[in-house]
Amino acid sequence: AQSVTQLDSQVPVFEEAPVELRCNYSSSVSVYLFWYVQYPNQGLQLLLKYLSGSTLVKGINGFEAEFNKSQTSFHLRKPSVHISDTAEYFCAVSPSGGYNKLIFGAGTRLAVHP
Amino acid sequence: SQTIHQWPATLVQPVGSPLSLECTVEGTSNPNLYWYRQAAGRGLQLLFYSVGIGQISSEVPQNLSASRPQDRQFILSSKKLLLSDSGFYLCACSTGELFFGEGSRLTVL
Repeated sequence: AQSVTQLDSQVPVFEEAPVELRCNYSSSVSVYLFWYVQYPNQGLQLLLKYLSGSTLVKGINGFEAEFNKSQTSFHLRKPSVHISDTAEYFCAVSPSGGYNKLIFGAGTRLAVHP
Repeated sequence: SQTIHQWPATLVQPVGSPLSLECTVEGTSNPNLYWYRQAAGRGLQLLFYSVGIGQISSEVPQNLSASRPQDRQFILSSKKLLLSDSGFYLCACSTGELFFGEGSRLTVL
């Protein structure tokens, strides 16, 4: 069965510092990979997605992620974070290779401090 | 683009009371619809999904049920709430990418 592991439940970082949020998945078939962001008491917003092609994917708000098939990872990075990036970040995989029935990780809480 | 409306946004209910959370979608037709639950400090768990009117699939056994009386309406219900039903419930829609509503926070006391 497919699964998603987000290795850090919380990541504290200072403003303007770089950040990496880690995500590993398990799947025996081709997958689509996603990162979503959730601000307090709101729904989830798509940051970026990997479907195929270039393994480096750029998303909104200056975030990017790199798909590494050999390590089954899809880590999210940003070179310089802002206070407004404080939120919960979810990695997700679509085991069927489509958009249906995404499997989510447990989330990583990013806390950006001044 | 599609818009997903969920209500109520916040709900406090006693144990044993019924529940009805509603989700409606605008800007698309024939969407796949989903109910996810997010428990405190945990990730998202897929509860139900629907590929069409009256077609509901349950992902996990639980105290909840779902119905889809119209193409763009998805309802989450319970006859008797349990404490463990507390959480943040998210409706999602997919005609390609997956879009989420703003969520309904349920507290069962």
